[in-house]
Parts: sequence; C-alpha cells; structure tokens
Amino acid sequence: EVQLVESGGGLVQPGRSLRLSCTASGFTFGGYEMSWFRQAPGKGLEWVGFIRSKAYYGTTEYAASVKGRFTISRDDSKSISYLQMDSLKTEDTAVYYCTRDVSGWQDFDYYYMDVWGKGTTVTVSS
Amino acid sequence: SSELTQDPAVSVALGQTVRITCQGDSLRNYYANWYQQKPGQAPVVVIYAKDNRPSGIPDRFSGSRLGNTASLTITGAQAEDEADYYCNSRDSSGTQWVFGGGTKVTVL
Repeated sequence: EVQLVESGGGLVQPGRSLRLSCTASGFTFGGYEMSWFRQAPGKGLEWVGFIRSKAYYGTTEYAASVKGRFTISRDDSKSISYLQMDSLKTEDTAVYYCTRDVSGWQDFDYYYMDVWGKGTTVTVSS
Repeated sequence: SSELTQDPAVSVALGQTVRITCQGDSLRNYYANWYQQKPGQAPVVVIYAKDNRPSGIPDRFSGSRLGNTASLTITGAQAEDEADYYCNSRDSSGTQWVFGGGTKVTVL
C-alpha cells in the first residue's frame, strides 16, 4: 500500500525551529517529486514547497511566505522527505501535509498530488 | 491570497447536479486538479488532468476545461459528497503550486 506518514509536529515558541519528516512506503520514493502543504485552522490549503527527484537534481522551490526560513530535503535511502522550519512565526501554525507528486502529458502538461499523508500539527505559540 | 478563484460556497439538492468553477491564468497552460476534503481529513484527489478519476472515485464526478476556467461537476450529488473542494494547478511558470480558496458544497 502506498503511504505517507508525517511526524515531528508539536508546540514550539516563536523564533524557534522544528523539523518535520514524511516517511514513504509502498513505492520507489526516489523517482518522485515530493511536496509540503499546510492548512491553518479554518483556512484553505497553502503550498509550502517541493523537492524534485534526483533525476531533476533534487532542486527545491518554495512559497514566498516561507522562503529563506524553511528548507526541504530528502533521503532517498530512507524514503524520507524533511521540512526544516526555522524562525517560526505564529502564522506558521497549521496542519502540515506531505504529498507525492505525479506529472504527465495529456494534450497539455499536467501535475497533481496523488497521495497525501494524514498531516501533522504544528502550533507556534509562546 | 489564492491565484485561482473559486466561489466560496454552493448548495445542491440531493440527487441533483452541481458545477463548481475555478478561474486563473495558469489554467491556460496546465490542467486543474480537484481535491475533496472532509472535516478532519486530508484532501483526496477526485479529478486530475483531462477529466481523469482515480480508482475508487465515483463516476458522478467529472471535470472540464475551457480557456482559463476549469469546472468540477457532480451529477446526482449524494450526502457523502458534502465537503470542501479545492482546485489546484502549477502556476504559469510551472515552478509553484497554486490553489483556489475552496468551495464548500452543501447537499440539502
């Protein structure tokens, strides 16, 4: 069974750091781009960033709201994606999800997230 | 702020048809995808690319695209379809994900 499990969430003070993990199983992790999303309480989904597969040099992209504070990495040998969050702010409070991303072509390019983890909750508060 | 625009809420009578729309410039270059999210649960993709349904998604869900607008249609809405629905795609550069603000579907 294809599965993603996030871990590492918790309560943290503003300005501190936290590292989330996304452990994958049931598929060849190294062949996929992996994304992170978040959802603040009562709000919509927000993209955080993604990391491409090694075939695309493992490069990363980030949302403007987290660029310079958050870093995504991957360990293909362990099938884990990490989200390192530094200089946390109260507005970073959210449920954080990781996803497996799929791309293809069907008259046009397409990308979508086909597998989501259940999420891990991060609360930034003093 | 979202780069895709969705109506905040729609309602539909049980068994009737409802269409949810999503507008944005990126949809001229990339397909929209549609995700269903029920309270306390992770999103689940219901439509991706050119009207594709993942295994297990009922065929009452369908998608379409015209210009910069994508639509999700639920034909014969059921009580279990009551949820928030989000559209998403890559942005026009292909280097970011963008979302709509979500549409809350209420089945009456």
